[in-house]
Amino acid sequence: GENVEQHPSTLSVQEGDSAVIKCTYSDSASNYFPWYKQELGKRPQLIIDIRSNVGEKKDQRIAVTLNKTAKHFSLHITETQPEDSAVYFCAASKASGTYKYIFGTGTRLKVLA
Amino acid sequence: EAGVAQSPRYKIIEKRQSVAFWCNPISGHATLYWYQQILGQGPKLLIQFQNNGVVDDSQLPKDRFSAERLKGVDSTLKIQPAKLEDSAVYLCASSLAPGFETQYFGPGTRLLVL
Repeated sequence: GENVEQHPSTLSVQEGDSAVIKCTYSDSASNYFPWYKQELGKRPQLIIDIRSNVGEKKDQRIAVTLNKTAKHFSLHITETQPEDSAVYFCAASKASGTYKYIFGTGTRLKVLA
Repeated sequence: EAGVAQSPRYKIIEKRQSVAFWCNPISGHATLYWYQQILGQGPKLLIQFQNNGVVDDSQLPKDRFSAERLKGVDSTLKIQPAKLEDSAVYLCASSLAPGFETQYFGPGTRLLVL
């Protein structure tokens, strides 16, 4: 069935360093890939997304890359700050009529000051 | 714009009791989703509505869970009877319409079943 694998499950970086989170999806028909940030006890917030007709997208310190052939996509955060500490979820979706998301299992990012 | 609203924020019940959650999506959003998020896991879709019709309920445990979206706006999710394994955060999300993929999430209802 549809599946999204996400690695690593936890990631600790020093403030100012970069963080990379990787996701692999199983359904080759997936064409939309959002990333959500969820702080403790709060709602998931969309931070960036990418569609399958684009290989890379950047928004200030955040970037996402997509490799359709390998069926994986990655979140890159540069110049990390303590406020980047949260759980990050990737998801995959396809235009099949429902647009439902299949979420990864999450990555807990800790930025050490 | 106002975001997705959910209530209650927290609920503690005994197993075999019933519970109901409420969601008000962003105004004008036709598609509404209910997710279950167990601690340490990603959200799992329970049911998806398009206006007041069900689009996908393949992962909804229909023997105990039910949901409705009367008039295509607010929605309620009910669990009856609750089991210990239903302890989770129940997230509601909405999107503008099919073709507009971005989903906006509510703050969730944290359920603890004792």
